[in-house]
Amino acid sequence: AQKITQTQPGMFVQEKEAVTLDCTYDTSDPSYGLFWYKQPSSGEMIFLIYQGSYDQQNATEGRYSLNFQKARKSANLVISASQLGDSAMYFCAMRVMGAQKLVFGQGTRLTINP
Amino acid sequence: NAGVMQNPRHLVRRRGQEARLRCSPMKGHSHVYWYRQLPEEGLKFMVYLQKENIIDESGMPKERFSAEFPKEGPSILRIQQVVRGDSAAYFCASSQLSGGSSGANVLTFGAGSRLTVL
Repeated sequence: AQKITQTQPGMFVQEKEAVTLDCTYDTSDPSYGLFWYKQPSSGEMIFLIYQGSYDQQNATEGRYSLNFQKARKSANLVISASQLGDSAMYFCAMRVMGAQKLVFGQGTRLTINP
Repeated sequence: NAGVMQNPRHLVRRRGQEARLRCSPMKGHSHVYWYRQLPEEGLKFMVYLQKENIIDESGMPKERFSAEFPKEGPSILRIQQVVRGDSAAYFCASSQLSGGSSGANVLTFGAGSRLTVL
């Protein structure tokens, strides 16, 4: 069975600083994908970034990057130059190849202070 | 190019009533997923459907819950005889491909339907 662990229930960061949100995962399947979603207070789920288990390079999407350390089974999200609008819940998720469902972590609530 | 549309956004029901949540996937998407989110928790998979077929319902409670995705019209998640524990946000997601066909197959989520059972 797959499991996602996000150990930071909440984080507080000053505006313009970089922030790292932790995510560790557990699976015995060699082929899988890792996803990060943002959930602002309005409630919708917004896809941010994807990393495949066989990808050689860390994924980047604008200010978002994924620090993928396969041996440690971690897939931390890095947000550079944080903005007030980054305040939200952030969820890490995983899906193994051939499976239909995404498995989500408990989430981290990020608050950006002005 | 509308995204995944869910309605109603908010629904209040008394115990014992029925709740019907609707989801129209993105244009061109034929795969629909339903997830449930309890307060302060992550999303939990409920069911995966293609047109007229339930493919994986391993996350659905055995009783009172059902889902369908007819040939025409939106997908429906139906909860009969609701109880207070059913209060949650219910998210629908859609994708163009089958979820497991490609690791990079990203699910697009709707804004969710928030069910409150009094």
